[in-house]
Amino acid sequence: DIQMTQSPSSLSASVGDRVTITCRASQGISNSLAWYQQKPGKAPKLLLYAASRLESGVPSRFSGSGSGTDYTLTISSLQPEDFATYYCQQYYSTPITFGPGTKVDIK
Amino acid sequence: QVQLVQSGAEVKKPGASVKVSCKASGYTFTGYYMHWVRQAPGQGLEWMGWINPNSGGTNYAQKFQGRVTMTRDTSISTAYMELSRLRSDDTAVYYCARVGWYSSSGGKFDYWGQGTLVTVSS
Repeated sequence: DIQMTQSPSSLSASVGDRVTITCRASQGISNSLAWYQQKPGKAPKLLLYAASRLESGVPSRFSGSGSGTDYTLTISSLQPEDFATYYCQQYYSTPITFGPGTKVDIK
Repeated sequence: QVQLVQSGAEVKKPGASVKVSCKASGYTFTGYYMHWVRQAPGQGLEWMGWINPNSGGTNYAQKFQGRVTMTRDTSISTAYMELSRLRSDDTAVYYCARVGWYSSSGGKFDYWGQGTLVTVSS
């Protein structure tokens, strides 16, 4: 199974801050990586797929990069509605696995 | 517009079974694989498996092999996930999620159901 790790596990930031979350896979996943945002009591929402492709309707302040085993999610200017938990997911092989999540809260 | 609407919350006793439904609308149900993901209270996301709505073929996570059954009814565009021999640690929100690429078993999960809380308690 491919293990996914994320760092940090949580962070505090202010509106307008640039935020970066990293995700590492235990083996290469050929950019088969998605990022999701989840707010309390809600289903996850797809932000990016194929490591760097923005899902339709998602604001351009979200971006993704990386290759091989290491990937990043960047929010260029944090907005009030961005406070949430973020998960990475590999879909390179089954079992599909998710990172443990990064909680972004208000400083 | 694509929608996945799940059945309501369930309370079950240990050892019982639960069957959660996921009704799809707004797209060709048989064209897109459906996955099931669960989330225990305060925890992360855990993949359970997928079903091919066209063929009925399935692929389950090893952890759930022998306890989970995923089925579908194409006449009503609905996928089902049944989990048997429930334990207290099966208490979780269960989600269905559609793969966003036609006829592909893997890929981005572009649409999710609203979630179904299953509580296992004696």
